[in-house]
Amino acid sequence: EDQVTQSPEALRLQEGESSSLNCSYTVSGLRGLFWYRQDPGKGPEFLFTLYSAGEEKEKERLKATLTKKESFLHITAPKPEDSATYLCAVQGYMYSGGGADGLTFGKGTHLIIQP
Amino acid sequence: GAGVSQSPRYKVAKRGQDVALRCDPISGHVSLFWYQQALGQGPEFLTYFQNEAQLDKSGLPSDRFFAERPEGSVSTLKIQRTQQEDSAVYLCASRHYPGEGGQNIQYFGAGTRLSVL
Repeated sequence: EDQVTQSPEALRLQEGESSSLNCSYTVSGLRGLFWYRQDPGKGPEFLFTLYSAGEEKEKERLKATLTKKESFLHITAPKPEDSATYLCAVQGYMYSGGGADGLTFGKGTHLIIQP
Repeated sequence: GAGVSQSPRYKVAKRGQDVALRCDPISGHVSLFWYQQALGQGPEFLTYFQNEAQLDKSGLPSDRFFAERPEGSVSTLKIQRTQQEDSAVYLCASRHYPGEGGQNIQYFGAGTRLSVL
């Protein structure tokens, strides 16, 4: 069964204070690892997809990296508008708790950026 | 439309009532997914459609849950005889095509918040 564990559960940073969120995963065969952002009362918003170890992707102040066991979401010089819950999800090739095409999500990291 | 649309946004039901939740996917998207998100948790997979075919319903928690997509576009998630434990946000997502790369991205709607009293 695919599993995703995110840490920390919550993180409070000052504006401009860089940090990283962790996503540890186990999957029968990784088809893709996904990062989403979720604001209160809204659905998850797609950020990145990573497919193989060593891959990196960047978007504004965010950078996602992938190894064979975990992914990191690095936030550089964050701003208050970066405050949200960040969700990590995996998609495996073989049937698992999420099915071949369904995503298996972690519980998320609730990030607060204070001005 | 520009994104995935779900209705209603909020639904209050008395225990034992039946409810129906609607999802309008992004135009042209072949794949459609339903997820359940409890408070403070990540979304959990319920079921998956490719066009009108329900290819995976392994995540449906009981036979009270039923989903359909008769014409391969709009989908409805129905919950019969609702229970308090059904209270959650129900999210719908659509995907252009079950391929690799950019086609494999699932785009989510805002969800329907169901409260069972």
